[in-house]
Amino acid sequence: KNEVEQSPQNLTAQEGEFITINCSYSVGISALHWLQQHPGGGIVSLFMLSSGKKKHGRLIATINIQEKHSSLHITASHPRDSAVYICAVENDYKLSFGAGTTVTVRA
Amino acid sequence: NAGVTQTPKFQVLKTGQSMTLQCAQDMNHEYMSWYRQDPGMGLRLIHYSVGAGITDQGEVPNGYNVSRSTTEDFPLRLLSAAPSQTSVYFCASSYSDRNGYTFGSGTRLTVV
Repeated sequence: KNEVEQSPQNLTAQEGEFITINCSYSVGISALHWLQQHPGGGIVSLFMLSSGKKKHGRLIATINIQEKHSSLHITASHPRDSAVYICAVENDYKLSFGAGTTVTVRA
Repeated sequence: NAGVTQTPKFQVLKTGQSMTLQCAQDMNHEYMSWYRQDPGMGLRLIHYSVGAGITDQGEVPNGYNVSRSTTEDFPLRLLSAAPSQTSVYFCASSYSDRNGYTFGSGTRLTVV
């Protein structure tokens, strides 16, 4: 069983809809990262969390350390949000990754 | 431009050949790491370094070698390429374990 489980695997939304991606992990961590990978392949770091909640534009990330769970929310989704979103947990400088969630936002 | 620079972007190797994937950053980041991304497997850590002169193995180190002689550079060496090493390789760096990561643009390697 992977240390990091993401759901859903795929998600299709209409423009303007609220999107939630979930990440559960089974090990102790020092931080949790949310990454975005566009069809061109480049990877961008969106958030690093060790507790609570962070917001950047239309993106919100939350983490519950006790429940070993994090969520990434996209408000007012737009076609340019179409990408693969990857959850990664960090421990002792080592990252373990979820399989990714492919998000498609239709106009 | 500041960031992580990976070269080459594409490479085709024959089985048994050796090569070095280059990774350089100009942000004075102490931490650097190499990952491979395979369909159905996601990203996996190959090797990492927490500073010049210090390297350690990740999840899938076999067949790869690294060194960190300077803060800026962290090359990944394939000793004898195998078809199983066909993958997309990413280098990443971070200032500390309290900061996010900056990823390079990736190297698509095919071993035939």
